[in-house]
Amino acid sequence: ETGVTQSPTHLIKTRGQQVTLRCSSQSGHNTVSWYQQALGQGPQFIFQYYREEENGRGNFPPRFSGLQFPNYSSELNVNALELDDSALYLCASSLSPTEDTGELFFGEGSRLTVL
Amino acid sequence: EDQVTQSPEALRLQEGESSSLNCSYTVSGLRGLFWYRQDPGKGPEFLFTLYSAGEEKEKERLKATLTKKESFLHITAPKPEDSATYLCAAPSGGGADGLTFGKGTHLIIQP
Repeated sequence: ETGVTQSPTHLIKTRGQQVTLRCSSQSGHNTVSWYQQALGQGPQFIFQYYREEENGRGNFPPRFSGLQFPNYSSELNVNALELDDSALYLCASSLSPTEDTGELFFGEGSRLTVL
Repeated sequence: EDQVTQSPEALRLQEGESSSLNCSYTVSGLRGLFWYRQDPGKGPEFLFTLYSAGEEKEKERLKATLTKKESFLHITAPKPEDSATYLCAAPSGGGADGLTFGKGTHLIIQP
């Protein structure tokens, strides 16, 4: 069974640039969620994708966008990067789009630094 | 606004010294309370789901309990490999609104 994989693991960007982060979900999982984790904080929900559509979103501006592909893999895109976007970006896959089971399978994250 | 608050922020214990971590929540219509473990530089790893007051779950040296307003993660006779950040979380709002996580408790077990 293949777990959740994310790429790249680390990257450095400058303010105003754009970034794309990628995630392959765990085998058999059709739902992908993205979280932002700032240093010393808990993960914060960005959005969720199910059947290639965004079906839930946290309190993040529109410059955070995403995609889900037919194989359930996903991308997170962030435009017009700001210094506060520096964080660990976590992808999590699950068997269903509801969070009632709470069992999310997280990747190891992409560490983004914005200078 | 749904909130999940964890205490203490950090805890240092000697190997074998038992203790408890606290998670208090203000979530309307709670649909579960979840515990995760996060090692440095890694993503969170699911530990437990608790659904109703009085429920308990155990895994090795860890036991999670739930009341109407808070949850506890009890660690019995911990070992250095139990060192990690422990996160609790609850579903936000309804449907696919993600999980609201606390800031976590950073636990260090000294040999």
